Amino acid sequence: DTGVSQDPRHKITKRGQNVTFRCDPISEHNRLYWYRQTLGQGPEFLTYFQNEAQLEKSRLLSDRFSAERPKGSFSTLEIQRTEQGDSAMYLCASSHRDHGNEQFFGPGTRLTVL
Amino acid sequence: AQSVTQLGSHVSVSEGALVLLRCNYSSSVPPYLFWYVQYPNQGLQLLLKYTSAATLVKGINGFEAEFKKSETSFHLTKPSAHMRDAAEYFCAVSPLRGNNRLAFGKGNQVVVIP
Repeated sequence: DTGVSQDPRHKITKRGQNVTFRCDPISEHNRLYWYRQTLGQGPEFLTYFQNEAQLEKSRLLSDRFSAERPKGSFSTLEIQRTEQGDSAMYLCASSHRDHGNEQFFGPGTRLTVL
Repeated sequence: AQSVTQLGSHVSVSEGALVLLRCNYSSSVPPYLFWYVQYPNQGLQLLLKYTSAATLVKGINGFEAEFKKSETSFHLTKPSAHMRDAAEYFCAVSPLRGNNRLAFGKGNQVVVIP
């Protein structure tokens, strides 16, 4: 297994456009997390999936954000009508139910909104 | 809510000198605690974790941390800094049960001086 992968690694978009990011977790990891990291800050929790069920969403996840994990494997994070404040690194992590405390992170997708 | 505090955003250390990064947590019960390292343009890599077993935890790359309940601390140390230790370090906390979402500190940017 090559670990958690994320695509794309970088995304530059204009304000008002929609963007979608993909995360492929480590196989057999049933838990998947999305975090957002802005410059000079630690990552902040956005949302969490157990299998295909989205069990928790942070108040940081406005109505413009939506995340899915349709088959309990890969996940997508979509941002509609992007704003400059959405510019950040979006990190995905996965964990196994038997070792739920240890999360493995992907390389992240860096979003720049112009 | 659980949280961690990391003081001093930038830490400079001479090559061969002791690395000491401080982390204090806020939790009503001892949580799970983690230290992650992040190299430029990469995701987070787990250095070590405390999960209520031994209070002195040894991790990768020669790092270790000691859990002190009386001080609500989980400081990270390395006896002798190497140039390759230059990176950003994050302390994180997660609850014992539930979704295991991580709450991160603001991070310490470590600069190693030759």
